[in-house]
Amino acid sequence: GAVVSQHPSWVICKSGTSVKIECRSLDFQATTMFWYRQFPKQSLMLMATSNEGSKATYEQGVEKDKFLINHASLTLSTLTVTSAHPEDSSFYICSATPGRGGNEQFFGPGTRLTVL
Amino acid sequence: QKEVEQDPGPLSVPEGAIVSLNCTYSNSAFQYFMWYRQYSRKGPELLMYTYSSGNKEDGRFTAQVDKSSKYISLFIRDSQPSDSATYLCAMSATQAGTALIFGKGTTLSVSS
Repeated sequence: GAVVSQHPSWVICKSGTSVKIECRSLDFQATTMFWYRQFPKQSLMLMATSNEGSKATYEQGVEKDKFLINHASLTLSTLTVTSAHPEDSSFYICSATPGRGGNEQFFGPGTRLTVL
Repeated sequence: QKEVEQDPGPLSVPEGAIVSLNCTYSNSAFQYFMWYRQYSRKGPELLMYTYSSGNKEDGRFTAQVDKSSKYISLFIRDSQPSDSATYLCAMSATQAGTALIFGKGTTLSVSS
């Protein structure tokens, strides 16, 4: 149990285009989902926290107009990177917490974004 | 001082060795402690989840939490080459819905 999927697993796009990444909890309802960014050989950097039906809470320094997060249902959250630039190239990972009292977070496999 | 400190390694051991991975933290409010394993270019996988102080064992893995010392450990017995990965400690103060604070991760290499 506690499986989180992400789609796509990798994407290459041209500078200036927008890219949408989906995060789904497959076998549980996720009251909260998190989006992280990870650079090579570095730890996870939290970008934002999203609760179903609410606006996402962004970490300091993360542009909310650039990284649009939608948590439309208890099993789906999306991250849209708008007007992507090469510096947005990174590994994006989502996680979800079942919210049944504990605080475990279950991570998706990640999406590698390359902006040309 | 960072909230969570973790030696990045790299740590290299021979197959069969006992591995000890550690994190220290400064926030005494942390109550939930986790260890994740991350293979290259993959998402982190939850290995151990502990609430408050004490030990927890799962197969070859043992997690220890010492809240008085603000110190947590992960022990891996009979290490295998497949254990080669980056291990991240994570913790939080409150229950579900709050973000985890991660260590930087320790890279472990187990040679056969």
